Amino acid sequence: DGGITQSPKYLFRKEGQNVTLSCEQNLNHDAMYWYRQDPGQGLRLIYYSQIVNDFQKGDIAEGYSVSREKKESFPLTVTSAQKNPTAFYLCASTVLGGGNTGELFFGEGSRLTVL
Amino acid sequence: LAKTTQPISMDSYEGQEVNITCSHNNIATNDYITWYQQFPSQGPRFIIQGYKTKVTNEVASLFIPADRKSSTLSLPRVSLSDTAVYYCLRGNSGGYQKVTFGIGTKLQVIP
Repeated sequence: DGGITQSPKYLFRKEGQNVTLSCEQNLNHDAMYWYRQDPGQGLRLIYYSQIVNDFQKGDIAEGYSVSREKKESFPLTVTSAQKNPTAFYLCASTVLGGGNTGELFFGEGSRLTVL
Repeated sequence: LAKTTQPISMDSYEGQEVNITCSHNNIATNDYITWYQQFPSQGPRFIIQGYKTKVTNEVASLFIPADRKSSTLSLPRVSLSDTAVYYCLRGNSGGYQKVTFGIGTKLQVIP
């Protein structure tokens, strides 16, 4: 079945460590997004990419990095520079063009806890 | 950023119809209105999308008046499983990078 897969579902990290969250989609979508969600809050955009080998910062990019080497993959690295990385991370993808707003497909999320 | 305004929370009894209103006074000509549902510890999922008038699918209806400054998501005969956060978004074919997910409306369905 087509969809978007995130891994791992749960991740624990010690302070000072970098961690990478995986996001893979087999929907042939052009655009991919990373969001962060804190308890009781909405989603905040970290990074997005509309084409391979190109990505742009979102509203809260500091302390994060991404790559888009393949259309189907958009990994997120949470670096030690991120001051408060404990959060729920969501990856999403959509088609571009077509006149309306394409449906945004989300993964199941990755919950990162810094110990 | 493309922002919308919606109530923070709503309560409803099972079996009732629930209407959640969203304000988007400065909506652009090419913006669509899309609603998403999110359960705890899950990613949001698409419910319905519209541009003008009324759209209906198997789970909800979306009413958008002629001036498009607001919209109303209607959930018929809610059940306990409809307890979730509902997000109203405005956007166009250019992608979601300028679309703001606010805190949404937390709907609590009461037995």
